[in-house]
Amino acid sequence: DTAVSQTPKYLVTQMGNDKSIKCEQNLGHDTMYWYKQDSKKFLKIMFSYNNKELIINETVPNRFSPKSPDKAHLNLHINSLELGDSAVYFCASRFGQGTLETQYFGPGTRLLVL
Amino acid sequence: GEDVEQSLFLSVREGDSSVINCTYTDSSSTYLYWYKQEPGAGLQLLTYIFSNMDMKQDQRLTVLLNKKDKHLSLRIADTQTGDSAIYFCAEIFSGGGADGLTFGKGTHLIIQP
Repeated sequence: DTAVSQTPKYLVTQMGNDKSIKCEQNLGHDTMYWYKQDSKKFLKIMFSYNNKELIINETVPNRFSPKSPDKAHLNLHINSLELGDSAVYFCASRFGQGTLETQYFGPGTRLLVL
Repeated sequence: GEDVEQSLFLSVREGDSSVINCTYTDSSSTYLYWYKQEPGAGLQLLTYIFSNMDMKQDQRLTVLLNKKDKHLSLRIADTQTGDSAIYFCAEIFSGGGADGLTFGKGTHLIIQP
């Protein structure tokens, strides 16, 4: 069974649209993350979230919003998509807030904005 | 702020050892990680080292940590074509009630036959 899964795997859409990427983890983790990997393969954290607190990277535009319907899911909503949003988006999760546990990554969602 | 630096490319001959270097800035990092990303694939945790260790060996992989210089390296012995990938160094950063990973820009490991 996949530990961290994302849907869709590929997403091609027009500029200006609103889209969502879903993430689910079946590991019982209570902290989840979204990362963005740009065309140069640079990875940057966007959000970290546990059931108490959302931490936002201040460089992330407010068109991006994470939504967590329950502990196992952290979905990423993107409004008014722009060309520069084209990237691979990775979801990750870990148990607890300490540094003793490693993060597990999903397979990534490849977003292409035309 | 937190920053992790790596060289962008490394080219080695098949069978040689590869050494990928990384420097980080957050001296409070308790764990440092190496992730591997094969072409078109997601991130795979390769290995990690706890900050009170100097070295960790796992089969063909050796991680060396110089905490004083904030320098981390990953050595891959007997490099094979299957090792061709991007290798990311990462450190934990803590902000508020949650934390995440700060990644380097990744080192593209190129294997020459």
